[in-house]
Amino acid sequence: AQSVTQLGSHVSVSEGALVLLRCNYSSSVPPYLFWYVQYPNQGLQLLLKYTTGATLVKGINGFEAEFKKSETSFHLTKPSAHMSDAAEYFCAVRSPNTDKLIFGTGTRLQVFP
Amino acid sequence: GAVVSQHPSRVICKSGTSVKIECRSLDFQATTMFWYRQFPKKSLMLMATSNEGSKATYEQGVEKDKFLINHASLTLSTLTVTSAHPEDSSFYICSARGGGGGYEQYFGPGTRLTVT
Repeated sequence: AQSVTQLGSHVSVSEGALVLLRCNYSSSVPPYLFWYVQYPNQGLQLLLKYTTGATLVKGINGFEAEFKKSETSFHLTKPSAHMSDAAEYFCAVRSPNTDKLIFGTGTRLQVFP
Repeated sequence: GAVVSQHPSRVICKSGTSVKIECRSLDFQATTMFWYRQFPKKSLMLMATSNEGSKATYEQGVEKDKFLINHASLTLSTLTVTSAHPEDSSFYICSARGGGGGYEQYFGPGTRLTVT
Protein backbone atom coordinates (compact mmCIF):
# COMPACT_ATOMS: atom_id res chain seq x y z
CA ALA A 1 0.00 0.00 0.00
CA GLN A 2 1.09 3.53 -0.63
CA SER A 3 0.95 6.44 1.76
CA VAL A 4 2.12 10.01 2.09
CA THR A 5 3.14 11.86 5.23
CA GLN A 6 3.43 15.61 5.33
CA LEU A 7 5.23 16.79 8.44
CA GLY A 8 3.83 20.02 9.74
CA SER A 9 0.25 20.99 9.10
CA HIS A 10 1.24 24.66 9.28
CA VAL A 11 4.40 26.40 8.15
CA SER A 12 4.99 30.12 8.57
CA VAL A 13 7.74 32.06 6.88
CA SER A 14 8.60 35.67 6.28
CA GLU A 15 8.42 37.11 2.83
CA GLY A 16 11.74 36.46 1.11
CA ALA A 17 12.64 33.53 3.32
CA LEU A 18 13.22 29.96 2.23
CA VAL A 19 10.16 27.73 1.97
CA LEU A 20 10.55 24.07 2.89
CA LEU A 21 7.53 21.77 2.95
CA ARG A 22 8.23 18.18 3.85
CA CYS A 23 6.83 15.07 2.25
CA ASN A 24 7.72 11.45 2.86
CA TYR A 25 6.14 8.57 1.04
CA SER A 26 5.78 4.86 1.32
CA SER A 27 5.56 2.74 -1.78
CA SER A 28 6.48 -0.80 -2.71
CA VAL A 29 7.18 0.21 -6.28
CA PRO A 30 8.92 3.23 -7.77
CA PRO A 31 6.36 5.97 -7.30
CA TYR A 32 5.15 8.92 -9.26
CA LEU A 33 5.18 11.94 -6.94
CA PHE A 34 3.28 15.20 -7.15
CA TRP A 35 2.91 18.52 -5.38
CA TYR A 36 -0.34 20.44 -5.70
CA VAL A 37 -1.35 23.86 -4.43
CA GLN A 38 -4.86 24.81 -3.39
CA TYR A 39 -6.06 28.35 -2.84
CA PRO A 40 -9.18 28.93 -0.70
CA ASN A 41 -12.35 27.48 -2.18
CA GLN A 42 -10.56 26.38 -5.31
CA GLY A 43 -9.46 23.11 -6.83
CA LEU A 44 -5.93 21.81 -7.01
CA GLN A 45 -3.25 23.13 -9.30
CA LEU A 46 -0.25 21.01 -10.18
CA LEU A 47 3.03 22.57 -9.08
CA LEU A 48 5.38 19.84 -10.22
CA LYS A 49 5.75 16.12 -10.64
CA TYR A 50 8.37 13.41 -10.63
CA THR A 51 7.98 10.29 -12.70
CA THR A 52 11.37 9.13 -13.90
CA GLY A 53 14.70 10.67 -14.81
CA ALA A 54 16.18 13.71 -13.13
CA THR A 55 15.50 13.67 -9.43
CA LEU A 56 15.45 17.45 -9.05
CA VAL A 57 12.21 18.69 -10.51
CA LYS A 58 11.40 22.30 -11.20
CA GLY A 59 7.83 23.49 -11.24
CA ILE A 60 5.79 26.61 -11.59
CA ASN A 61 6.09 29.74 -9.47
CA GLY A 62 9.72 29.05 -8.61
CA PHE A 63 9.08 25.85 -6.69
CA GLU A 64 11.21 22.75 -6.95
CA ALA A 65 11.39 19.35 -5.29
CA GLU A 66 13.96 16.62 -5.09
CA PHE A 67 13.17 12.92 -5.14
CA LYS A 68 15.42 11.12 -2.68
CA LYS A 69 14.84 7.42 -2.86
CA SER A 70 17.15 6.62 0.06
CA GLU A 71 15.16 8.93 2.29
CA THR A 72 11.77 8.22 0.67
CA SER A 73 11.29 11.96 0.53
CA PHE A 74 10.04 14.53 -1.94
CA HIS A 75 10.36 17.85 -0.11
CA LEU A 76 9.14 21.04 -1.77
CA THR A 77 11.30 24.15 -1.65
CA LYS A 78 11.34 27.72 -2.88
CA PRO A 79 14.30 30.02 -2.26
CA SER A 80 12.28 33.15 -1.57
CA ALA A 81 8.67 33.21 -0.42
CA HIS A 82 6.14 35.63 -1.83
CA MET A 83 2.92 36.71 -0.19
CA SER A 84 1.05 35.06 -3.04
CA ASP A 85 2.49 31.67 -2.06
CA ALA A 86 0.18 31.52 0.96
CA ALA A 87 -2.01 28.49 0.32
CA GLU A 88 -2.52 24.83 1.14
CA TYR A 89 0.01 22.42 -0.35
CA PHE A 90 -0.60 18.75 -0.93
CA CYS A 91 1.92 16.05 -1.68
CA ALA A 92 0.59 13.00 -3.52
CA VAL A 93 1.87 9.63 -4.65
CA ARG A 94 0.66 7.43 -7.44
CA SER A 95 1.73 3.98 -8.41
CA PRO A 96 2.73 3.74 -12.07
CA ASN A 97 0.31 0.84 -12.37
CA THR A 98 -2.81 2.55 -11.03
CA ASP A 99 -4.88 5.64 -11.56
CA LYS A 100 -5.24 6.52 -7.92
CA LEU A 101 -3.61 9.49 -6.28
CA ILE A 102 -2.97 9.18 -2.56
CA PHE A 103 -2.79 12.58 -0.92
CA GLY A 104 -1.05 13.72 2.20
CA THR A 105 -2.95 15.70 4.80
CA GLY A 106 -1.69 19.01 3.48
CA THR A 107 0.46 21.83 4.80
CA ARG A 108 -0.85 25.34 5.12
CA LEU A 109 1.79 27.89 4.24
CA GLN A 110 1.54 31.35 5.74
CA VAL A 111 3.76 34.14 4.53
CA PHE A 112 4.27 37.20 6.71
CA PRO A 113 5.43 40.57 5.44
CA GLY B 1 -5.19 23.40 -22.31
CA ALA B 2 -6.47 20.68 -19.96
CA VAL B 3 -9.22 22.69 -18.30
CA VAL B 4 -11.80 21.04 -16.09
CA SER B 5 -14.92 22.86 -14.97
CA GLN B 6 -17.48 22.08 -12.30
CA HIS B 7 -21.01 23.31 -11.95
CA PRO B 8 -22.33 24.62 -9.71
CA SER B 9 -19.52 26.16 -7.70
CA ARG B 10 -21.76 26.43 -4.67
CA VAL B 11 -25.09 24.83 -3.85
CA ILE B 12 -27.34 24.87 -0.83
CA CYS B 13 -30.05 22.26 -0.58
CA LYS B 14 -32.53 21.09 2.00
CA SER B 15 -32.12 17.83 3.83
CA GLY B 16 -33.76 14.97 1.95
CA THR B 17 -33.38 16.45 -1.50
CA SER B 18 -30.94 15.41 -4.20
CA VAL B 19 -28.34 17.54 -5.88
CA LYS B 20 -26.35 16.99 -9.05
CA ILE B 21 -22.82 18.23 -9.64
CA GLU B 22 -21.35 18.32 -13.13
CA CYS B 23 -17.72 17.88 -14.09
CA ARG B 24 -16.64 18.73 -17.62
CA SER B 25 -13.37 18.48 -19.45
CA LEU B 26 -13.41 21.51 -21.72
CA ASP B 27 -10.60 20.89 -24.16
CA PHE B 28 -9.77 17.21 -23.99
CA GLN B 29 -11.51 13.88 -23.86
CA ALA B 30 -11.49 12.42 -20.39
CA THR B 31 -11.59 8.66 -20.45
CA THR B 32 -11.38 8.58 -16.68
CA MET B 33 -12.79 10.96 -14.12
CA PHE B 34 -12.34 10.95 -10.38
CA TRP B 35 -14.50 12.31 -7.61
CA TYR B 36 -12.98 13.48 -4.36
CA ARG B 37 -14.42 14.78 -1.16
CA GLN B 38 -12.58 17.25 1.03
CA PHE B 39 -13.58 17.95 4.61
CA PRO B 40 -12.61 21.26 6.21
CA LYS B 41 -8.89 21.44 6.81
CA LYS B 42 -8.51 17.87 5.63
CA SER B 43 -7.00 16.12 2.68
CA LEU B 44 -8.81 14.87 -0.37
CA MET B 45 -10.51 11.53 -0.11
CA LEU B 46 -11.09 9.62 -3.32
CA MET B 47 -14.72 8.60 -3.55
CA ALA B 48 -14.88 6.88 -6.89
CA THR B 49 -13.32 6.43 -10.28
CA SER B 50 -15.46 6.50 -13.38
CA ASN B 51 -14.61 5.42 -16.88
CA GLU B 52 -16.66 6.60 -19.82
CA GLY B 53 -19.47 4.22 -20.61
CA SER B 54 -19.00 1.93 -17.65
CA LYS B 55 -19.99 1.78 -14.02
CA ALA B 56 -18.01 3.73 -11.49
CA THR B 57 -15.66 2.00 -9.09
CA TYR B 58 -16.29 3.17 -5.56
CA GLU B 59 -13.78 3.29 -2.77
CA GLN B 60 -14.36 1.32 0.36
CA GLY B 61 -16.87 2.97 2.65
CA VAL B 62 -18.49 5.13 -0.02
CA GLU B 63 -22.17 4.38 -0.52
CA LYS B 64 -22.79 3.88 -4.22
CA ASP B 65 -26.54 4.29 -3.84
CA LYS B 66 -26.09 7.63 -2.14
CA PHE B 67 -23.43 9.04 -4.42
CA LEU B 68 -24.54 8.25 -7.96
CA ILE B 69 -21.92 8.75 -10.61
CA ASN B 70 -22.57 8.85 -14.31
CA HIS B 71 -19.89 9.22 -16.97
CA ALA B 72 -22.00 9.18 -20.09
CA SER B 73 -19.62 10.99 -22.42
CA LEU B 74 -15.92 11.67 -22.79
CA THR B 75 -16.35 15.20 -21.52
CA LEU B 76 -18.95 14.93 -18.79
CA SER B 77 -19.31 13.13 -15.50
CA THR B 78 -21.97 13.83 -12.90
CA LEU B 79 -22.16 13.16 -9.19
CA THR B 80 -25.62 13.07 -7.67
CA VAL B 81 -25.92 13.20 -3.91
CA THR B 82 -29.24 11.54 -3.18
CA SER B 83 -31.35 12.22 -0.11
CA ALA B 84 -28.76 14.65 1.16
CA HIS B 85 -28.15 15.11 4.86
CA PRO B 86 -26.19 17.78 6.71
CA GLU B 87 -23.26 15.39 7.10
CA ASP B 88 -22.95 15.33 3.31
CA SER B 89 -21.97 18.98 3.41
CA SER B 90 -18.49 19.16 2.00
CA PHE B 91 -16.27 20.36 -0.82
CA TYR B 92 -16.48 18.01 -3.78
CA ILE B 93 -13.71 18.07 -6.37
CA CYS B 94 -13.51 16.20 -9.63
CA SER B 95 -10.50 15.48 -11.76
CA ALA B 96 -10.14 14.16 -15.26
CA ARG B 97 -7.51 12.15 -17.07
CA GLY B 98 -7.16 11.81 -20.78
CA GLY B 99 -6.52 8.64 -22.66
CA GLY B 100 -3.44 7.52 -24.53
CA GLY B 101 -1.62 6.30 -21.46
CA GLY B 102 -1.36 9.73 -19.87
CA TYR B 103 -1.31 9.72 -16.11
CA GLU B 104 -1.81 13.31 -15.10
CA GLN B 105 -5.08 14.31 -13.51
CA TYR B 106 -6.49 17.78 -14.07
CA PHE B 107 -8.64 19.10 -11.28
CA GLY B 108 -11.83 21.08 -11.35
CA PRO B 109 -12.37 24.12 -9.13
CA GLY B 110 -14.63 22.25 -6.73
CA THR B 111 -18.25 22.48 -5.58
CA ARG B 112 -19.18 23.58 -2.09
CA LEU B 113 -22.29 21.66 -0.98
CA THR B 114 -24.21 22.81 2.07
CA VAL B 115 -27.16 20.77 3.25
CA THR B 116 -29.49 22.54 5.64
